[in-house]
Amino acid sequence: AQKVTQAQTEISVVEKEDVTLDCVYETRDTTYYLFWYKQPPSGELVFLIRRNSFDEQNEISGRYSWNFQKSTSSFNFTITASQVVDSAVYFCALSEASFITGANSKLTFGKGITLSVRP
Amino acid sequence: DTEVTQTPKHLVMGMTNKKSLKCEQHMGHRAMYWYKQKAKKPPELMFVYSYEKLSINESVPSRFSPECPNSSLLNLHLHALQPEDSALYLCASSQEGQVSSYEQYFGPGTRLTVT
Repeated sequence: AQKVTQAQTEISVVEKEDVTLDCVYETRDTTYYLFWYKQPPSGELVFLIRRNSFDEQNEISGRYSWNFQKSTSSFNFTITASQVVDSAVYFCALSEASFITGANSKLTFGKGITLSVRP
Repeated sequence: DTEVTQTPKHLVMGMTNKKSLKCEQHMGHRAMYWYKQKAKKPPELMFVYSYEKLSINESVPSRFSPECPNSSLLNLHLHALQPEDSALYLCASSQEGQVSSYEQYFGPGTRLTVT
């Protein structure tokens, strides 16, 4: 069974600090997909990134960067120079590959990390 | 346009009422989802429609009844709900339902209160 662990529950930083959100996953599949979502107070989950299990390249998008390490089953997310608008709950999620016709694979979410960025 | 819309934004209903939540997407996605999210918890999957057919029902009580009239619309009909059903109900869509690689795009949710 697949599992996602976000051990940090709440993080508070001061604006302009860098912050890393940890995500550790468990799966028996060799093909799987990892995601990060942001949920601001308004409630909508915003898709941030998708990474497949064969692509271990790190990714940078503006102030956001992701570090995927299969050896440690981790997919960590770093926000550089945090801003107040980054305050939200961040979810890491895992989906196992399902290419069998008629089958569906579900998204398994971690419990989420509440990030507060103070001015 | 990566937008999923949901109506209403807020809903208060009594335990004997019948109401419906609506979701719409115009991204040409063929899979649509209903999730329930309680405060300080991750979303819990309720239903998945793939190509307008119900493909996953996560043992949801029959007082929740999903409907997919066409590939762009998803409804959730509510009847005889309990106070513990109060939650944020999120709709999502993705390009495919059978291939799990595609990301899901979420709507803003309907905040439901059952009195």
